[in-house]
Amino acid sequence: GENVEQHPSTLSVQEGDSAVIKCTYSDSASNYFPWYKQELGKRPQLIIDIRSNVGEKKDQRIAVTLNKTAKHFSLHITETQPEDSAVYFCAASGGSEKLVFGKGMKLTVNP
Amino acid sequence: DTGVSQDPRHKITKRGQNVTFRCDPISEHNRLYWYRQTLGQGPEFLTYFQNEAQLEKSRLLSDRFSAERPKGSFSTLEIQRTEQGDSAMYLCASSSRQGPWEQYFGPGTRLTVT
Repeated sequence: GENVEQHPSTLSVQEGDSAVIKCTYSDSASNYFPWYKQELGKRPQLIIDIRSNVGEKKDQRIAVTLNKTAKHFSLHITETQPEDSAVYFCAASGGSEKLVFGKGMKLTVNP
Repeated sequence: DTGVSQDPRHKITKRGQNVTFRCDPISEHNRLYWYRQTLGQGPEFLTYFQNEAQLEKSRLLSDRFSAERPKGSFSTLEIQRTEQGDSAMYLCASSSRQGPWEQYFGPGTRLTVT
């Protein structure tokens, strides 16, 4: 079955810096890659997603890139703000509708 | 609030008791998913429904777990003879289209088994 690895597990940046979170997946049939943000005690919130027929997608300060050959995808956050502090999860989905999640990365943005 | 809702938000139970959780998806969504999340981990898939049909179950869903979606609207997840290892956040998500597609999560039910 699909296996999603996410790294680093924690990241601390200064406000205004960029942050990058990387994920790898194992199943070449996977074709949908969402990213979720989860604040402490809150629900996971879908922030951006990408499909395998697209290499890059942007939405304001966040962007996601996908390398199907290498089976990895990344989340880029520019001009980080303290409210970006949260745990970020990547996920992958292929022939099944279930999402397989990474273990998450805790991002801390220091003012 | 037109998002996914879950009830109760917190449940404390003694080992061996049965518990039932409810999920109400976004109204026009015909797909409903259950996940389990433990501390420091990402959500793990348990099962999903298309309308009232349960189409996939994880091997994590032991025979003590059962899920239903009788009318294709709300869903229930029941855990029988709870064990301490069942302590976790139980998350429900819903989606509007044949997947994989965007899944929107509810606030979760936090279960503590003492």
